[in-house]
Amino acid sequence: IAGITQAPTSQILAAGRRMTLRCTQDMRHNAMYWYRQDLGLGLRLIHYSNTAGTTGKGEVPDGYSVSRANTDDFPLTLASAVPSQTSVYFCASSESSGEANEQFFGPGTRLTVL
Amino acid sequence: GQNIDQPTEMTATEGAIVQINCTYQTSGFNGLFWYQQHAGEAPTFLSYNVLDGLEEKGRFSSFLSRSKGYSYLLLKELQMKDSASYLCAVKGGDYKLSFGAGTTVTVRA
Repeated sequence: IAGITQAPTSQILAAGRRMTLRCTQDMRHNAMYWYRQDLGLGLRLIHYSNTAGTTGKGEVPDGYSVSRANTDDFPLTLASAVPSQTSVYFCASSESSGEANEQFFGPGTRLTVL
Repeated sequence: GQNIDQPTEMTATEGAIVQINCTYQTSGFNGLFWYQQHAGEAPTFLSYNVLDGLEEKGRFSSFLSRSKGYSYLLLKELQMKDSASYLCAVKGGDYKLSFGAGTTVTVRA
């Protein structure tokens, strides 16, 4: 398949638990991103990676960590989940972080923290 | 930080035209994107503007005025399938995308 896959599709998690959201792309894109989408707030950037082996913080990085061991995979980890992390999480990728490069989005993971 | 404003909701009739405005204040500018997002789905790319003027792509057009910090997305010959949220996003000086909260367009028969 071509594009971006995310897993799981949805998850209900107890507060305090550790959780990793998976993201894989097969387009050989250099740049990858994690966003959260909350009602009335739009998409907010959590972390990004311009190329394999590098990561950076976005607008709302606290409570989240990422790694980019290879080009295809960009997992997002919640070390100790809190209810405010209830959201829809989208992974995205682009050929590079340059001007005209559109971002392609995965189908999203709906996470509920109780 | 970045500030991107767009109306929350718009309603229009099938076959009509709707214009979604977006104003922005950002640190640096490297282009403006419009995305479409149907309920429960991922955003999909519609258009990109980096120079002033109008970009036309079928029934959809996007306009940019950098001096005014203003863009609009024009949807012509509206169809029921155009009912969705439309997201305005600006790539700032740091090459990161900042999104507006989105405009939900409802197309009525």
